[in-house]
Formats: sequence, structure tokens, C-alpha cells
Amino acid sequence: DTAVSQTPKYLVTQMGNDKSIKCEQNLGHDTMYWYKQDSKKFLKIMFSYNNKELIINETVPNRFSPKSPDKAHLNLHINSLELGDSAVYFCASSRGQGDQPQHFGDGTRLSIL
Amino acid sequence: GDSVTQMEGPVTLSEEAFLTINCTYTATGYPSLFWYVQYPGEGLQLLLKAMKADDKGSNKGFEATYRKETTSFHLEKGSVQVSDSAVYFCALSRQGGSEKLVFGKGTKLTVNP
Repeated sequence: DTAVSQTPKYLVTQMGNDKSIKCEQNLGHDTMYWYKQDSKKFLKIMFSYNNKELIINETVPNRFSPKSPDKAHLNLHINSLELGDSAVYFCASSRGQGDQPQHFGDGTRLSIL
Repeated sequence: GDSVTQMEGPVTLSEEAFLTINCTYTATGYPSLFWYVQYPGEGLQLLLKAMKADDKGSNKGFEATYRKETTSFHLEKGSVQVSDSAVYFCALSRQGGSEKLVFGKGTKLTVNP
């Protein structure tokens, strides 16, 4: 009965490769997010989708492309991976407006060799 | 822009000690305030929240009061346990506005038996 699930949990790959991370939520929420957590634990939002529409796109390289096939899914595709992309990526979801609590997945640890 | 400042960690306490983690914020209008907790190897979980000035959020023995006059939302617990060891994040969001959460840098707490 996992609420927000991300796959894979760990991703080790070489520079220059293309990879995807998948996220699914079964909470019936209409807003989903991607966050990046760096090695110092600093969390920063990357993208937010509401009802499959992009509503937040922070200053993120265009090598990162989110895709939301439906309200319950928000996938993150990354092209031409770089060393600086190594981080933990968290998916989250919430019901609508910004003052609603967000529910987080367990994270995907991406390591670039 | 909006920002959240937390006390620098790490914080190390003995079991049953009193805990305070300071958090102050800068935001236009009246944000909602949150404390999230991240246990090792897991995603973030909402610990408590406060929606307006003078509201007190509480959960699992933790408390925080929304102080508009000092723009603060300090986290407190009267008697910590080893199981409270985690990273604690203070965060804000705009009510009815942007969907995103703005996080502080996190404070790592270690509780020793």
C-alpha cells in the first residue's frame, strides 16, 4: 500500500548516458513534484505538475525532461548525464494548493561514474 | 524571494534531553509552515504544520508555534529518544499561490543512549 513509489531505488551509470526515473502515487493527488537533494542534504524543487500540466519549472538544465502521462505518474528523463547530476531525486505528491502537505517517495540515488 | 534559515547542525544529544531546532523564514504574505523529518535511507515525512500566526503544530511529542512577529517556527521536544535521530527540515509554502515548498538546509540530529 505504498503511497508514493519511485523506481529504481539506486541508479549507477556512466557520464553521457540517458536514464529515466519513474514515480507513481496512489493517493488520488493531482499535483506531483520532483526534488533534487545534494550531498549536503539540501533539497530543491525541480518541477511540479498539476493535472498533467507543468506549473513549476525551476532553473534546471533542459537535459532534464519530466513527463506526466496521467495524474498518478510523473517520470523524469535525464539526457547526457553529467557528474554534477549525482544526487538523490525525490518524487512527491499533494492535493492541490501549496499549503497542503506533500507526501514523498523514498528517493532514487543516482551515481554518475 | 522566499527563504528558510535553520540552525546549522549536526546536533548531538543524550536520550531524554530537551531539543530545540531554530527556524526563521522570509516570505511575502502569510505562508504555511512545516517541519519534515527524514530518517536514514528514507524520504521526507511531514512531522507537523501550522497554517497561520499563533497556530501550534504538534505530533509525536514535537511542537512548533508559528510566530509572525519574529518570523519563526522553532521545533521543540521535551525528551528526545534514540529513534528521533534523523534530519529535520523546516519549510514554507504560499497559501493559495505557488505550489512549491521552500526548504531550509536541514539539521541532522543524533540522539545517543
